[in-house]
Order: sequence, then structure tokens, then C-alpha cells
Amino acid sequence: EIVLTQSPDFQSVTPNERVTITCRASQGIAIALHWYQQKPGQSPKLLVKYASQSVSGVPSRFSGSGSGTDFTLTINGLEAEDAATYYCHQSSSFPRMHTFGQGTKLEIK
Amino acid sequence: QLHLQESGPGLVKPSETLSLICSVSGDSINKGDYFWAWIRQPPEKGLEWIGSINSDGTTYYNPSLKSRATVSLDTSKNDFSLKLTSVVAADTAIFYCARDMGFGELSFSFWGQGALVTVSS
Repeated sequence: EIVLTQSPDFQSVTPNERVTITCRASQGIAIALHWYQQKPGQSPKLLVKYASQSVSGVPSRFSGSGSGTDFTLTINGLEAEDAATYYCHQSSSFPRMHTFGQGTKLEIK
Repeated sequence: QLHLQESGPGLVKPSETLSLICSVSGDSINKGDYFWAWIRQPPEKGLEWIGSINSDGTTYYNPSLKSRATVSLDTSKNDFSLKLTSVVAADTAIFYCARDMGFGELSFSFWGQGALVTVSS
């Protein structure tokens, strides 16, 4: 089973900062890595698919990069509404399996 | 616009079977090459994929739950369901239904609002 480890678990940041969240896979997964944002009381929302591909309707300040085992979600120009927990997710095709990282909680000061 | 809605009992006794339905509106559940999934989230914890099904009935399960989970499709009602047998307190969670982007793209683009199921006597 592929394990995803996110860092940090928690981060407190100020508006307009640039934030970087990392996700490391226990084995190579090419670019089969996606990022979600989950606000309290809401279901997760897809932000970035396949490591760096943009998703319709998601603000351009959210971007992703990486391949293989190391991935990054970057938020440029953090806004107050970005307070949330962020999860990475890997999707393998053979065998079909999905796993999630443990989450990174972002607090806005 | 696709809409997913979970429904089912909010309280299940230990050792019994948890049953949930995901009602799909805005599109036909047997249209296209999509996988429909169940994902759960224990209170204040992270996300765990349970299993997925596509329109031809092909299913995939998380190995950690495979022996207890069953996902099935009802095209006549345009919904899909989850059954989880022999539940214990650790199965208490918010259960989400979701759909991937389709045609080989496996990120989850649509989610239901979630249904809290508590396992307790």
C-alpha cells in the first residue's frame, strides 16, 4: 500500500504570504497525485489534479508541482478564506486504489 | 450540474450492518466512464477511501475493508449504495459519496455533503 506523508501537520500564516505544503509518497506514483481543500463542516473540494493540472473554477493562486515521490501545493498570496485543511490523494490504476495524506491544517493569523 | 446526496440511518448498533445510499441527480449514473466512490472521515481525522463502482458493475475496494464493504449500483433509481458489515465504534465517521472525473482521470471532482453515522449501542 502506498503511504502519503504530508508536512507540516499544522501551519499558522498571515494573509498575503506564500504557503507551501508537501506530500511525499512511499513509492513512485508518477503524477497520480491530487490536492483537496476541506473547510470545517464541508466536503473536500478538488484544487489540483495530476500534480500540476489546474481545475476549473479554482483560483489561480493555487498551484501544484512534483512527480515520482515528492509533491508540493503552493498558495500564492494567501487569503483569509484559505483557512482549511488540505489533503493530498494518490490514485493508482493497477490495482485500483486510492489513499490520502493525513492532512495539513492551515490557520490564518 | 451533478449533485450527490447521501442518506441512511445516523445510528447503527455494534455488530450490525451500516447501509447508505447516494442519490445522484443531474446526470445518469450509467452514462460515461465514471467511477462512483464511498469515502469516510472519522470525526476530526483524515479521509479513507472505502470502495468504487463503475456503470458496468466493476468494483474496487480498500483492502483494509474489502471483507466487510459492498458497493452496488441501482441504475433504475440512479443511485449507488454502501453496505458495511459487523460495524464497531471505530467505524463512526462522516461518509461521503463522490465521483471521479471519468475517462481514466481518477481525482474526485464531485462530492456529496456527507452523512454522519455513529456506531453505538
